[in-house]
Amino acid sequence: KNQVEQSPQSLIILEGKNCTLQCNYTVSPFSNLRWYKQDTGRGPVSLTIMTFSENTKSNGRYTATLDADTKQSSLHITASQLSDSASYICVVSALTGGGNKLTFGTGTQLKVEL
Amino acid sequence: KAGVTQTPRYLIKTRGQQVTLSCSPISGHRSVSWYQQTPGQGLQFLFEYFSETQRNKGNFPGRFSGRQFSNSRSEMNVSTLELGDSALYLCASSLRTLDYEQYFGPGTRLTVT
Repeated sequence: KNQVEQSPQSLIILEGKNCTLQCNYTVSPFSNLRWYKQDTGRGPVSLTIMTFSENTKSNGRYTATLDADTKQSSLHITASQLSDSASYICVVSALTGGGNKLTFGTGTQLKVEL
Repeated sequence: KAGVTQTPRYLIKTRGQQVTLSCSPISGHRSVSWYQQTPGQGLQFLFEYFSETQRNKGNFPGRFSGRQFSNSRSEMNVSTLELGDSALYLCASSLRTLDYEQYFGPGTRLTVT
């Protein structure tokens, strides 16, 4: 069964600190992995999308890594800001004979405090 | 370029009623997908439409249906509403398939009483 597990479930950090969110998946056949940021009451916004051959991808202060062998990904946030407080969702896409299948993680709730 | 728009943004319905939600994708995007988001289950895929045809479907009962028009706008319908249907319904559009980057709308918050 395709699954995406994220950890931790929630996290509180001080402004200016770094943090790393984890995503483990058992989706196959793997096509790509995405990280989304979702502010409360809004739709998710894409941060990165990584294919099998990509190990690292950055988007400003956000850096995602992918290890396709161990089926793990991480999202590193550098020099956190209050505006980084949001839910971060890992999504894995599988390309099957029946079409694309998306499997969603339940998200990591990040709170950045002063 | 305008983003994905969804209407209405908020909706309150009673059990047994039906509801129709609307989604306008980004101009040029032909794939529109729908998702249900609840605190307990997170984001769950409902279905995807491309060129007016349903191309992918999640594991939801037949009470959930949708359609896409020739201008790529899409509607989602839920019949015989249940309390458990209370959720944030998100629509996303992409250029071609679910494998491409998804751009989400702000969602419709549905409350069933």
